[in-house]
Amino acid sequence: QVQLQQWGAGLLKPSETLSLTCAVYGGSFSGNYWSWIRQSPAKGLEWIGEINHSGRTNYDPSLKSRVTISLDTSKNQFSLKLTSVTAADTAVYYCAVHGGYFDPWGQGTQVTISS
Amino acid sequence: EIVMTQSPATLSVSPGERATLSCRASQSVTTNLAWYQQKPGQAPRLLIYGASTRGTDVPATFSGSGSGTEFTLTITSLQSEDFAVYYCQQYNNWPQTFGQGTKVEIK
Repeated sequence: QVQLQQWGAGLLKPSETLSLTCAVYGGSFSGNYWSWIRQSPAKGLEWIGEINHSGRTNYDPSLKSRVTISLDTSKNQFSLKLTSVTAADTAVYYCAVHGGYFDPWGQGTQVTISS
Repeated sequence: EIVMTQSPATLSVSPGERATLSCRASQSVTTNLAWYQQKPGQAPRLLIYGASTRGTDVPATFSGSGSGTEFTLTITSLQSEDFAVYYCQQYNNWPQTFGQGTKVEIK
């Protein structure tokens, strides 16, 4: 059974780059998309983007100019980078396996943007 | 983008009673609809996919129904561990979108 464990910096200043990594245990990258989702009181659950085993990516159009999702198959990890963050990017960020629906999810990382 | 609208925002239910949650899509999503449960401080947990198929280890007290634009999640005989926030999500059209959630609270 696939399990996800994520980590990354939780406090950033405006204009910095958010960087999170998600490790995949008990499975391989083949056959699924690997997604990042965020959750804030203002916007609820918001899909950010995804990557598949061959490195093909899809991003939410509203974030596309600032987002990069990459994978490291040798480490069974995939990562999220979001540039030029503002207070509006404050949220809990989740990684998740995406096969249409999302299952399972990582434990979540609270990211706060504050000067 | 498909907009998912959940109702009610908050549902007050007594333990042992039934809860019925609604989710409406702004256009048809056929049966490509999932439900999640989220407890405080935890990630969402998949309950239902394909509108009516229970996820792994999800008890039979949870059932989903509907197709097209109208969907229902029913929780029979609410237990203390069932009080949480529930979200629907469509995956028929890109980008996949979530509803705003229904909080099921103890009456």
